[in-house]
Amino acid sequence: GENVEQHPSTLSVQEGDSAVIKCTYSDSASNYFPWYKQELGKGPQLIIDIRSNVGEKKDQRIAVTLNKTAKHFSLHITETQPEDSAVYFCAAINAGGTSYGKLTFGQGTILTVHP
Amino acid sequence: SAVISQKPSRDICQRGTSLTIQCQVDSQVTMMFWYRQQPGQSLTLIATANQGSEATYESGFVIDKFPISRPNLTFSTLTVSNMSPEDSSIYLCSVEDRLGSPLHFGNGTRLTVT
Repeated sequence: GENVEQHPSTLSVQEGDSAVIKCTYSDSASNYFPWYKQELGKGPQLIIDIRSNVGEKKDQRIAVTLNKTAKHFSLHITETQPEDSAVYFCAAINAGGTSYGKLTFGQGTILTVHP
Repeated sequence: SAVISQKPSRDICQRGTSLTIQCQVDSQVTMMFWYRQQPGQSLTLIATANQGSEATYESGFVIDKFPISRPNLTFSTLTVSNMSPEDSSIYLCSVEDRLGSPLHFGNGTRLTVT
């Protein structure tokens, strides 16, 4: 089955700096890669996702890049703010054109943005 | 996307007892799933809740321990049976509005077993 490795496990940055979180996956057939943000006491919230036919996707201060050859994808947050502090999870799935619900998650990254 | 409500939001239970968690969605959704998040850990899929039929369990999870119901397109329950302290986790309901749409999560049920 799929295996997703996520690094780093913790990341501390100053407000305004950029943050990068990286994930690698094992199943070369995986075709959908979402990122979730989990704040304390809440469920994971989808922040951005990318499909395997796209190399990069951007949404305001957040971007995701995908390298299918190397089987890794990364989350980039620019101009970080204290409210970006949370746990971030990457995930992957070989959906085969059907449901995207049976995700394999990375171990999570605790991001702390210092004012 | 659909709004997901889970009840209870948290509970403290005695070992050997069972707890049923409810998941209500404000619109009909194609797929519903249950995930577990052990303390400080990542998310692991328990099962797919199938409407009107038995749930589909992932490796390591069995129906006797985690019975699941999904009587219609907006509601599902997960029961954690004969609980032990190792069952202390966050249990998360998640939905896929339509096949191929992103997965969304409820806020979870924080279970502590003493």
